[in-house]
Amino acid sequence: DIVMTQSPDSLAVSLGERATINCKSSQSVLNYLAWYQQKPGQPPKLLIYWASFRESGVPARFSGSGSGTDFTLTISSLQAEDVAVYYCQQYYITPITFGPGTKLHIK
Amino acid sequence: QVQLVESGGGVVQPGRSLRLSCAASGSTLSNHAMHWVRQAAGKGLEWVALMSDDGANNEFYADFAKGRFTISRDNSMDTVYLQMNSLRAEDTAVYYCARDRGRGYSEIDYWGQGTLVTVSS
Repeated sequence: DIVMTQSPDSLAVSLGERATINCKSSQSVLNYLAWYQQKPGQPPKLLIYWASFRESGVPARFSGSGSGTDFTLTISSLQAEDVAVYYCQQYYITPITFGPGTKLHIK
Repeated sequence: QVQLVESGGGVVQPGRSLRLSCAASGSTLSNHAMHWVRQAAGKGLEWVALMSDDGANNEFYADFAKGRFTISRDNSMDTVYLQMNSLRAEDTAVYYCARDRGRGYSEIDYWGQGTLVTVSS
């Protein structure tokens, strides 16, 4: 199975500052990588797919990069509504696997 | 706007069975693979099962689900099911139904609100 790891586990960023979350897969997933945002009491929401394609309606401050085994989600200017847990997911091969999540707070 | 509504969750004793349903509205489920993903309280997302919609209706399962859980679909009803047998305490979680953007091996673009399954004596 492909193991997804994320760093950091938790991140505190000031409003208006950049937030960067990393995701690493135990073997190459090419670009079959998605990022999801989950707020308390809500289902996850798709932010980024195919590693770097922003989902329709997602603010431009969210961007994804990477390929192979190393990926990054960047929020260019943190807003209060971005407080959430962020998960990466590989869909290159089953079993589909998620990273453990990164909890993003306001500093 | 696609809506996925899960039902069938509840409290069940260990070893018993439960069938979850997921009804779609706003769009047909045809031409989309469908997933079940679960989340235990305070924990991360855990993929459970996938059924493709490539004509073969291939099924894929997480190791913990193999032999106990069965995913199925009825495209005429725009409904997906998850039959869960031999339930264990560790199966306690919110179970989300989720739509794959493609027929399989794509990103998940829509999620239901989830249904809570509690396995307890």
